[in-house]
Amino acid sequence: DAKTTQPNSMESNEEEPVHLPCNHSTISGTDYIHWYRQLPSQGPEYVIHGLTSNVNNRMASLAIAEDRKSSTLILHRATLRDAAVYYCILRDHFSGSRLTFGEGTQLTVNP
Amino acid sequence: NAGVTQTPKFRVLKTGQSMTLLCAQDMNHEYMYWYRQDPGMGLRLIHYSVGEGTTAKGEVPDGYNVSRLKKQNFLLGLESAAPSQTSVYFCASSYIIRTGRAAEQFFGPGTRLTVL
Repeated sequence: DAKTTQPNSMESNEEEPVHLPCNHSTISGTDYIHWYRQLPSQGPEYVIHGLTSNVNNRMASLAIAEDRKSSTLILHRATLRDAAVYYCILRDHFSGSRLTFGEGTQLTVNP
Repeated sequence: NAGVTQTPKFRVLKTGQSMTLLCAQDMNHEYMYWYRQDPGMGLRLIHYSVGEGTTAKGEVPDGYNVSRLKKQNFLLGLESAAPSQTSVYFCASSYIIRTGRAAEQFFGPGTRLTVL
């Protein structure tokens, strides 16, 4: 699986937008970009995924660069509950269902 | 729906003891997975199953065995526990969408295991 690079940590203020970057320069044409997050003392939860076009759902937006070598997870108004480790994961469409987790980005939200 | 549940939530073992972790899902998902997470690290895949009666090795399978006798249950066994297996264990499940590709994974709350 192609690797991703994320900052170790980021900080944000409550009710402000947060942009979490992810670099994946070796992404292949069949790799989907997935984001999961892990709240303290909980299992990970799915946030969003995309292939080429930008995606929106009730939790977040995913902006994908035109060359697909990077992407950004956007939380439009951070809340204290959004403090978590965010994982950017590439998953090949044809290689099965497994996820390979890196170390992710620890997001701190300040009140 | 309860989603994905794990039993037990906590366990302390002595080196050499055996135990089984139970994962259950009530979503009729085909795929199930076992991960471990060590402090400050991401999750690593131990074993997974693409259907009842099937299992496959993941990234770190040594020292573990699994069974999927029923679609809704996925068991993780430690035959002879070692301190290196001290970790938090997460189970997950996912369903199949069109073209046979798996959808997103749903995770359980985890089992915290300490091996002394």
